[in-house]
Amino acid sequence: NAGVTQTPKFQVLKTGQSMTLQCAQDMNHNSMYWYRQDPGMGLRLIYYSASEGTTDKGEVPNGYNVSRLNKREFSLRLESAAPSQTSVYFCASSETVMAGPYEQYFGPGTRLTVT
Amino acid sequence: GDSVTQMEGPVTLSEEAFLTINCTYTATGYPSLFWYVQYPGEGLQLLLKATKADDKGSNKGFEATYRKETTSFHLEKGSVQVSDSAVYFCALSDYKLSFGAGTTVTVRA
Repeated sequence: NAGVTQTPKFQVLKTGQSMTLQCAQDMNHNSMYWYRQDPGMGLRLIYYSASEGTTDKGEVPNGYNVSRLNKREFSLRLESAAPSQTSVYFCASSETVMAGPYEQYFGPGTRLTVT
Repeated sequence: GDSVTQMEGPVTLSEEAFLTINCTYTATGYPSLFWYVQYPGEGLQLLLKATKADDKGSNKGFEATYRKETTSFHLEKGSVQVSDSAVYFCALSDYKLSFGAGTTVTVRA
């Protein structure tokens, strides 16, 4: 039982390049999330998927796209990377997106640097 | 919208000292409240949670009580260890988790 896995762990991009961050969970969770973590700002939600086949914007969606490939996998794509997207990206999953005591389980993160 | 405010760090303590990290929230309903911990180089993991007023969450010697009257969920530990060095995040749940900015705690031997 690996929980939430993310690839790659580290990535360096040049401005304008594109890339896809991969995330998979093996807990049969319905809901998945992408966050970015920046110093002094906590975690901010980029996009989330309440269930297979649906995606919605979070607080900071500009410059990103997502795909919920199936129940297990949720990818984040940067079409044209910018230095402002330098950050640590976390994927998370939970049983449901409904308000309540539903713990989110986090992956180990991807450290992205855009030069 | 719902939000969380937690005390700024960094916090540096000696082993066996008492730790408290303040957290207050703003919410229209009755959210569940969480403390997450992030050890160096790792993702976040749940430390403890409380789902209703006056609930006390506890884990690994840490405690926090859901105080509706003061809209607070302060984290405490009576005697910290070097292994408690980490970043601590307070969060509340709506349709998503809203996180505080995080408090970096360093415990010196």
